[in-house]
Amino acid sequence: GQNIDQPTEMTATEGAIVQINCTYQTSGFNGLFWYQQHAGEAPTFLSYNVLDGLEEKGRFSSFLSRSKGYSYLLLKELQMKDSASYLCAVRDSNYQLIWGAGTKLIIKP
Amino acid sequence: SQTIHQWPATLVQPVGSPLSLECTVEGTSNPNLYWYRQAAGRGLQLLFYSVGIGQISSEVPQNLSASRPQDRQFILSSKKLLLSDSGFYLCAWSPPGGEVGELFFGEGSRLTVL
Repeated sequence: GQNIDQPTEMTATEGAIVQINCTYQTSGFNGLFWYQQHAGEAPTFLSYNVLDGLEEKGRFSSFLSRSKGYSYLLLKELQMKDSASYLCAVRDSNYQLIWGAGTKLIIKP
Repeated sequence: SQTIHQWPATLVQPVGSPLSLECTVEGTSNPNLYWYRQAAGRGLQLLFYSVGIGQISSEVPQNLSASRPQDRQFILSSKKLLLSDSGFYLCAWSPPGGEVGELFFGEGSRLTVL
């Protein structure tokens, strides 16, 4: 079957750096997405990786290793507003998105 | 610019009652449209997707149905709700074409079935 694994919850301190990991086992691979979802709201797009390596976008970076079935989202200079759930999703060989359950990130002052 | 709206935002319904959630997209033509359900502690579950008017693909067999009566309108329905239908329902769109690109989500509808 297809599976996306990411930690259920993480805690970090304001101003620090946090890395949220995502491992996947899917039928083929056509890209990996990260979305941010604040409580009670809809997910919003953060990043997209289809080739190995690091994609940087401001305070957020996303890394992909296709051979390891692994990605991480790196958040720098954490702010209180970064408290949210972070969803990892993989596009499979049928171009359908397979979603992880999300990682709830709690930022403490 | 493109926008997506869905309603109602919150509803509480008794078991066995009907359901209708509506979603509309503005600012784009022939979008791909999706209905997802999000249960606590689980990933987004794709319920239905549509690549054009009257074209609906169902991903999960259940007592829900979807319709696309107009290009930018997507409706999720049920004739008789079950307790297990409770959850957070999300409508989304992506640009037309074969690939699923970035998804743009509506505000979400929280359904509680009692």
